[in-house]
Amino acid sequence: ETGVTQTPRHLVMGMTNKKSLKCEQHLGHNAMYWYKQSAKKPLELMFVYNFKEQTENNSVPSRFSPECPNSSHLFLHLHTLQPEDSALYLCASSHIRGDRHVAGYTFGSGTRLTVV
Amino acid sequence: GNSVTQMEGPVTLSEEAFLTINCTYTATGYPSLFWYVQYPGEGLQLLLKATKADDKGSNKGFEATYRKETTSFHLEKGSVQVSDSAVYFCALMDTGGGNKLTFGTGTQLKVEL
Repeated sequence: ETGVTQTPRHLVMGMTNKKSLKCEQHLGHNAMYWYKQSAKKPLELMFVYNFKEQTENNSVPSRFSPECPNSSHLFLHLHTLQPEDSALYLCASSHIRGDRHVAGYTFGSGTRLTVV
Repeated sequence: GNSVTQMEGPVTLSEEAFLTINCTYTATGYPSLFWYVQYPGEGLQLLLKATKADDKGSNKGFEATYRKETTSFHLEKGSVQVSDSAVYFCALMDTGGGNKLTFGTGTQLKVEL
């Protein structure tokens, strides 16, 4: 248990489904992130939330919709996905003081998503 | 922009062999450098880090030295174990502002008996 919990661990969904990924951190961190990990590619940063405010959206298609209701919870809402969206989705958190990180990121175990 | 380049894997070694995984970087500012490890079925865990030139990060027998002159942060371990089998990611964080980690593609390490 790293302090960052992601659910579900595995998800299979059809292209017309709507589902949500959940991330929860119990570390008192104030920044949260969604990353996409695909085979043989660098981790892709999708979204950044600082103090519950979205500060970055790296040209992510609108079929991915993040939500951060408070600094401990982060969701990724999915709808009308494509097979190429199949990947491991990783959530991470960190603590920022001023414009600096206090320490590195803490990652969850990820959700393995398969779009059929 | 910032980028991280790692050696292609997989790297296959026998137990107790010496490990080097190369990592070089390009950054606009003065980055902090990290190595993360991902065991099968798990997320990424911070292995070690270095925040300025000539710093050496170390943990669990792994070491890496921040070399500004060669823009490198190579990961080394003197004697690997089967339990070290995992994917290793080099990453940088630009301390000039922005709170993002930039990762390399990862290098898979397989250690055999």
